[in-house]
Amino acid sequence: AQTVTQSQPEMSVQEAETVTLSCTYDTSENNYYLFWYKQPPSRQMILVIRQEAYKQQNATENRFSVNFQKAAKSFSLKISDSQLGDTAMYFCAFMKHGWKSSGDKLTFGTGTRLAVRP
Amino acid sequence: NAGVTQTPKFQVLKTGQSMTLQCAQDMNHEYMSWYRQDPGMGLRLIHYSVGAGITDQGEVPNGYNVSRSTTEDFPLRLLSAAPSQTSVYFCASSPLGHPDTEAFFGQGTRLTVV
Repeated sequence: AQTVTQSQPEMSVQEAETVTLSCTYDTSENNYYLFWYKQPPSRQMILVIRQEAYKQQNATENRFSVNFQKAAKSFSLKISDSQLGDTAMYFCAFMKHGWKSSGDKLTFGTGTRLAVRP
Repeated sequence: NAGVTQTPKFQVLKTGQSMTLQCAQDMNHEYMSWYRQDPGMGLRLIHYSVGAGITDQGEVPNGYNVSRSTTEDFPLRLLSAAPSQTSVYFCASSPLGHPDTEAFFGQGTRLTVV
């Protein structure tokens, strides 16, 4: 079974600064996907960024980037130029490749609540 | 596009009452699932379905039933609500066999059992 650990329950950052959210995971799988989801106060789950384990290059989406260290089983999210709208709960999640046909699932961490200060 | 629609958005139940949380998607996705979100525990899988007529249990299935009579709908039933089922519930859907696509989530249902 897979586990996902987010060791930072809460974080705070000044507007326009950079913040890094940590995530580690445990798996015996070789092919998998990792995700960061954002959940603002509206409760909507929004995909922020996705990383495929077989790709060595770190994924980037505008101000969001990841540091994927496969050997260390680490998947941190960096938010650059933080904006007030980034205030939200952030979840790290793991998905085994081919999970849907085999009936596996998204495994979520416990979340990190990020507050961006004006 | 409607995406994934959950109803109701809020619900208060008395212990022992039954109810059904509705979930519908208009994207023709084969895979649908239900999660519950509790403080400090992230989202945990309750039940899932890989297609009409096929359902299976997730991590925390006790106290919940599901059925999948159509591709579009995946209702979650609480037969006898308990205070431990107070939570926020999310329905999600995604196409089967396409791991490079994302899961689409509904807006969630906040359920309180008193």
